[in-house]
Formats: sequence, C-alpha cells, structure tokens
Amino acid sequence: EAQVTQNPRYLITVTGKKLTVTCSQNMNHEYMSWYRQDPGLGLRQIYYSMNVEVTDKGDVPEGYKVSRKEKRNFPLILESPSPNQTSLYFCASSLRRAGELFFGEGSRLTVL
Amino acid sequence: RKEVEQDPGPFNVPEGATVAFNCTYSNSASQSFFWYRQDCRKEPKLLMSVYSSGNEDGRFTAQLNRASQYISLLIRDSKLSDSATYLCVVNRNFGNEKLTFGTGTRLTIIP
Repeated sequence: EAQVTQNPRYLITVTGKKLTVTCSQNMNHEYMSWYRQDPGLGLRQIYYSMNVEVTDKGDVPEGYKVSRKEKRNFPLILESPSPNQTSLYFCASSLRRAGELFFGEGSRLTVL
Repeated sequence: RKEVEQDPGPFNVPEGATVAFNCTYSNSASQSFFWYRQDCRKEPKLLMSVYSSGNEDGRFTAQLNRASQYISLLIRDSKLSDSATYLCVVNRNFGNEKLTFGTGTRLTIIP
C-alpha cells in the first residue's frame, strides 16, 4: 500500500530536549516536505527536498533541521524544542509536482 | 494581504445542493493551483489540480481565473460525505517548489 509514514504520531516533551520526527514514503517519490498546522494559520511549509541531498527552507524553518540522505526518508529534527513549536506536523511527498502531495497522518507534538 | 485567502465559512448547505467557493491569490507569478480536502483531525488529501482551461471530476469542477487571480471549486449534488474543510494551495513559482496553503473553507452538508 502506497503511504507516507510518520513517527511518533503523538509526543509530549519538554523544552530543550532534542527530538526527531521520522517520515518515510514507499512510493519512490522525489519531492518531500514538512508542514506545521496551527489554528487560524493553516498549513505552513517548514522545509522541502527536491531529491536526495537537496533541501531548502520553506516559510517557517527557524528551529528545525532536516536531512535527506535516502530518497525514502526525510526526518524533521528539533534540536531544542520550545513551546511555540507545539503543533500538528505533516510530512508529504510527491512524485514530481510539489502540489500533488501525499500526506502522512500527522504528528501531534506538545512542548511543555 | 495574505498570499492565499479563503472565506473560512462555515458553509452549511442542504444535501443535493450546489455550492461554490473561491480562493484568491496575491502573486501573479503563481504557476500551479490545487484543491485539497481535510477531514477533522485528518491529513489533507488532494482533491484536484486546477488547470488553466478548468477541469471537472465527477461532481467537482475547478476553474482558474488568472486575470482576477482566483480559483474556484464547484460541488454539484452535494453529499453528506462532502462535509470537510477545503484547502486552496498555490505553487508560487515554477522551479521553486514552495507551496502556500489557504486556511481553508469549512463545508457542512445538512441532511
């Protein structure tokens, strides 16, 4: 089954404790991206990757890092999480066009 | 002005009715456009891409008006299962794959 898998789905952590949200897709997609969704603000792009070893900032990259060492994986790293990073995070992938996305089920992160 | 704007609704529409909503975008260089639907607490799912000539998929019709910088979504013969939030998505520049999402229009179909 074609899918984008994110882990963990739910996480409560404390300020400053590094965490990684993994994202994996099994569709051999070149394009992958991360979004956060907050009430009243909609989905905002954090980072995206056009292919292996190619990443670029989206609209809200501050406080986040990503890597794309393999085509299927695109982890999101929060080196020192802060409460304003409490949000619902989505990973997505696309075969070619950035707009035709398959989304993961989301990861709800709470930073205390 | 926001890059992508949508009427948040809610639109409460009786089953079987036709409903339409628009999405305006501010960047005239925007290249591609999409509609997604998002059910409560779920991930967004692609509904349809919006082509320059307009396109139709069953009960759904999408249109692009470049002169006035908006896209539209028309749903005919609405079903209860159409209840969702509809997100407008704009790819601002060709080759620069940054996407901007609208905040969504909430639609509720009433039996």
